[in-house]
Amino acid sequence: NAGVTQTPKFQVLKTGQSMTLQCAQDMNHNSMYWYRQDPGMGLRLIYYSASEGTTDKGEVPNGYNVSRLNKREFSLRLESAAPSQTSVYFCASSGTSGVGDTQYFGPGTRLTVL
Amino acid sequence: GQQLNQSPQSMFIQEGEDVSMNCTSSSIFNTWLWYKQDPGEGPVLLIALYKAGELTSNGRLTAQFGITRKDSFLNISASIPSDVGIYFCAGQLLNNDMRFGAGTRLTVKP
Repeated sequence: NAGVTQTPKFQVLKTGQSMTLQCAQDMNHNSMYWYRQDPGMGLRLIYYSASEGTTDKGEVPNGYNVSRLNKREFSLRLESAAPSQTSVYFCASSGTSGVGDTQYFGPGTRLTVL
Repeated sequence: GQQLNQSPQSMFIQEGEDVSMNCTSSSIFNTWLWYKQDPGEGPVLLIALYKAGELTSNGRLTAQFGITRKDSFLNISASIPSDVGIYFCAGQLLNNDMRFGAGTRLTVKP
């Protein structure tokens, strides 16, 4: 099992460019999440998908869109990147969206927006 | 709002010493979790706490879910060099949303 995989590992964008971050899990988990982590701060939830076909906003959704393509894959899209979106992005998955269900994290995508 | 205040921000300790860190919030959480993050990696779950007052151990790690459900602490006993990393607390709400503390950066000197 690879667990949670993310691509790309690193990306540099110019302001206004768009891109999609990919995430896949092979644990047959129902729920998937996207977080961003900024220096000196904990992770902040951008969007999550409790099950295939559903998505919900988290704490900081502005400037992002998500797609739960199928049970395995959950992508995060930046339509018009801004320097404030420079961050490390983590995808996570859990068996269910139930309270206390363990979330497993991917290795992260380091995004720089110039 | 539902922010977590984690302290201390950083700790420099000698190998063999015990470590204590905590998280507090003005909001009630249904679950408290503690994660460790190594450089260039995603967070890895250390301990999950599900009930107010719960005290749980995982090897040299011990964590407690505060009675008020607004706080939690993590203790590491007899620290070793591989304990180095950033430790995050996280609180989970009823709607499955999660909030993370800003992290405690631990350095262990041999």
